[in-house]
Amino acid sequence: DAKTTQPNSMESNEEEPVHLPCNHSTISGTDYIHWYRQLPSQGPEYVIHGLTSNVNNRMASLAIAEDRKSSTLILHRATLRDAAVYYCILRDLGSGGSNYKLTFGKGTLLTVNP
Amino acid sequence: SAVISQKPSRDICQRGTSLTIQCQVDSQVTMMFWYRQQPGQSLTLIATANQGSEATYESGFVIDKFPISRPNLTFSTLTVSNMSPEDSSIYLCSVGGTVGTEAFFGQGTRLTVV
Repeated sequence: DAKTTQPNSMESNEEEPVHLPCNHSTISGTDYIHWYRQLPSQGPEYVIHGLTSNVNNRMASLAIAEDRKSSTLILHRATLRDAAVYYCILRDLGSGGSNYKLTFGKGTLLTVNP
Repeated sequence: SAVISQKPSRDICQRGTSLTIQCQVDSQVTMMFWYRQQPGQSLTLIATANQGSEATYESGFVIDKFPISRPNLTFSTLTVSNMSPEDSSIYLCSVGGTVGTEAFFGQGTRLTVV
């Protein structure tokens, strides 16, 4: 899977929007962009994913650059419960059986201040 | 969606012993995945467990150390054999969607080897 680069940590205040960046300059045309987060003492949970167009769901929005070399996960109003490690992961549609696998980087530790 | 139950949630074991971790899914799935998360680190895939065939191990992980069973489409076990303190980690079970869908994780098993 192609590599992603994320800041090690970010801070936000409660009730404010948070923009978590991810660079993936070597992304291929068949790579999906996935975001997962891991709350303290829990397994990772799915947040959102996209291929080319921006995506919205009840948890977050995903903004994908036009050249697809970067993306941004947007939490519209951060809560204390959003404090977690956020992972940006590329998954290759064309990798056959291995396309089920997730390759985790170090992620971004988001701290939310009350 | 899929709900994953892992047992035990945590354990403290003596070096040289083995621990078997169980993973139960509430629906039938083709592939199940076992990850390791060492203290302060990200997740690393150990192996993919397929029903009816031998597990596929990632580089750096071997069957003698981490034997896996997959007796049916809803259950798998991971054994950590001949444990040493370096095996102290969180072990997580996951079931994956395809590239365009989400994966689900258990809560993890926190293993401490003394």
